Amino acid sequence: KAGVTQTPRYLIKTRGQQVTLSCSPISGHRSVSWYQQTPGQGLQFLFEYFSETQRNKGNFPGRFSGRQFSNSRSEMNVSTLELGDSALYLCASSIAGQEYNEQFFGPGTRLTVL
Amino acid sequence: KQEVTQIPAALSVPEGENLVLNCSFTDSAIYNLQWFRQDPGKGLTSLLLIQSSQREQTSGRLNASLDKSSGRSTLYIAASQPGDSATYLCAVIGGNNRLAFGKGNQVVVIP
Repeated sequence: KAGVTQTPRYLIKTRGQQVTLSCSPISGHRSVSWYQQTPGQGLQFLFEYFSETQRNKGNFPGRFSGRQFSNSRSEMNVSTLELGDSALYLCASSIAGQEYNEQFFGPGTRLTVL
Repeated sequence: KQEVTQIPAALSVPEGENLVLNCSFTDSAIYNLQWFRQDPGKGLTSLLLIQSSQREQTSGRLNASLDKSSGRSTLYIAASQPGDSATYLCAVIGGNNRLAFGKGNQVVVIP
């Protein structure tokens, strides 16, 4: 059974550009969550999608947005990139999006903003 | 707001010793607790999931305990090996269905 996949694995952008990251959950999983990991702040929750609907949102500016498709694949978009957006972006999937479900993470997308 | 703390931030042990990693959290109203492993520059690998009604979980050389009332969990790794060198992250999930992570324990097992 394939795990969570994320594309691309690495991205280099310049300030002011926008970027789209993609996440394909484990087959049969309907919930996808996104996290940002930086050395200073650690892992921080961005948002969660279930059945194409955003259910939860963390404390990030509106430049960070996402969506989920009918096949449960999810995309995350960051507009007007800033240097501080450089981070490892991780997505996680769970089967039913319930609090007691185990979450499985992908390998991440490393975003560097110059 | 849930705060998760992992102490120590970094530790080194000689091969063969048992590892003990501690995690504490401030809000005991959790659904479950997960321990993850992260290798440098990589994603997170789920090691153990403990439901809030459970006291411990075991998988091979790994054993994790949970004391929800005191807000603590401990991950034990028996007979450590150099391949166990990694960062270990503890995360709890509450009613908002989001994982709250500690900053991790960076472990080096010396051959």
